[in-house]
Amino acid sequence: DVKVTQSSRYLVKRTGEKVFLECVQDMDHENMFWYRQDPGLGLRLIYFSYDVKMKEKGDIPEGYSVSREKKERFSLILESASTNQTSMYLCATLGQINTDTQYFGPGTRLTVL
Amino acid sequence: AQKITQTQPGMFVQEKEAVTLDCTYDTSDQSYGLFWYKQPSSGEMIFLIYQGSYDEQNATEGRYSLNFQKARKSANLVISASQLGDSAMYFCAMRERLYGNKLVFGAGTILRVKS
Repeated sequence: DVKVTQSSRYLVKRTGEKVFLECVQDMDHENMFWYRQDPGLGLRLIYFSYDVKMKEKGDIPEGYSVSREKKERFSLILESASTNQTSMYLCATLGQINTDTQYFGPGTRLTVL
Repeated sequence: AQKITQTQPGMFVQEKEAVTLDCTYDTSDQSYGLFWYKQPSSGEMIFLIYQGSYDEQNATEGRYSLNFQKARKSANLVISASQLGDSAMYFCAMRERLYGNKLVFGAGTILRVKS
């Protein structure tokens, strides 16, 4: 079974703080993704990575950065958290087969006060 | 334009009955895949079913089937014999060959199963 873990289930931070969200997978998947989920908007892609040290902007990258130093770990960074970044953050991984589904972590519910 | 449209924000269904969750998509790519995910209140995303654009048969997985109508660009999820545990948010998603491995999600449909 694919296992995708995220560092925290719930996180509360203050405006202006630097926030790190960590995602770790154990399936040796090349592709990793960060989404945020908001009511009525579904999941929106923030950043993704198809290999170590490679990253691509998704649909809503503003205010975020990412880091992929090792294959199994993909970090999402909020350089200066703002209240509009309060959301559920989901990490996902994907193998290389065309019909592969993305496997999701349990999510981190971030509240920025 | 929205790539994935789920027009039903919420649905109710009686236990043991079948329910159809609607999904329409927009793409000019000939090669694409369609996915359905379930998200219970606990938050994890659970993969349910996959349909490839070149698959001639509708996909089925247990009580889940995907009613794929390519000309209409629709990929509705049918859940047969609904159970209380089916109460969750359901997302339709698409992956287009042109855009690599990115998934685009719809806004979701909340399903509530009544006893």
